[in-house]
Amino acid sequence: SYDLTQSLSVSVALGQTARITCGGNNIGSKNVHWYQQKPGRAPVLVIYRDSRRPSGIPERFSGSNSGNTATLTISRAQAGDEGDYYCQLWDSSTALFGGGTRLTVL
Amino acid sequence: HVQLQQWGAGLLKPSETLTLTCAVSGGSLSDYYWSWIRQSPGKGLEWIGEINHSGRTDYNPSLKSRVTISIEMSKNQFALKLKSVTAADTAIYYCARGFEGYKFDAFDVWGQGTMVTAS
Repeated sequence: SYDLTQSLSVSVALGQTARITCGGNNIGSKNVHWYQQKPGRAPVLVIYRDSRRPSGIPERFSGSNSGNTATLTISRAQAGDEGDYYCQLWDSSTALFGGGTRLTVL
Repeated sequence: HVQLQQWGAGLLKPSETLTLTCAVSGGSLSDYYWSWIRQSPGKGLEWIGEINHSGRTDYNPSLKSRVTISIEMSKNQFALKLKSVTAADTAIYYCARGFEGYKFDAFDVWGQGTMVTAS
C-alpha cells in the first residue's frame, strides 16, 4: 500500500511562513489535496490538485508538489491558522490521508 | 450553497450494524461522488467508500466485506451501513462530496460528523 508521511508538528512565528510537507513515493505524479481541521470541526479543503485554492481560501495558502514531497505553504501565518493539516491523494482507487500535522502559531 | 446534514445511532454494541444517513441540501446528488470518511485517534482519517448518482459504489478494500453505501435520489440522501462493528470501528464518521463531480478528486463539502462508539 502507498504510505504518506507527515511531520507530527510544525511551529511558526506569527506573520512568518509555515511549510507543511507530505512525503510519498513519486508523489509528484499524483494530485495532492490539503485539509485544515480545527478541534471539534470537520476538515476544510484549503488546496486541491497540488496548488489550486477553493473559493474563500486566502491567497496566503499555496501548494506545490514535486518528486517525493508535496508542500503546503502558509504565508504571513495568523493565529487562526492553527490546527491540524492533512494531505490526501488517491492510490489504486482508494483515497488515502496522511497522518496529519499540528500547526502551532507562536 | 450545498450543505450535508448527517445522523444516525451513536452507541452500538459489538456485532451490531452501524447505520448513518447524509442529506444533501442546497444542491442535487446528481453528477457528484458522495463518500463516507471516518476519523479515529488511532488511525487518523480513513476513507470508507463512495457512491455516485447512478448507484455505482467503490469501497476501501480494508472494509469492503462489511460496508454498504446506498443512495436515495428522491430524498436527496445517501447512507452508510457497516455490519459487525467492533471497538475498532469507534470513530467520528463524516459524509463528504467529491469535488466538481470528478472521481478521484478532493472532498470539498463535509457533513458535521457523527461520533459512533461501539462498546
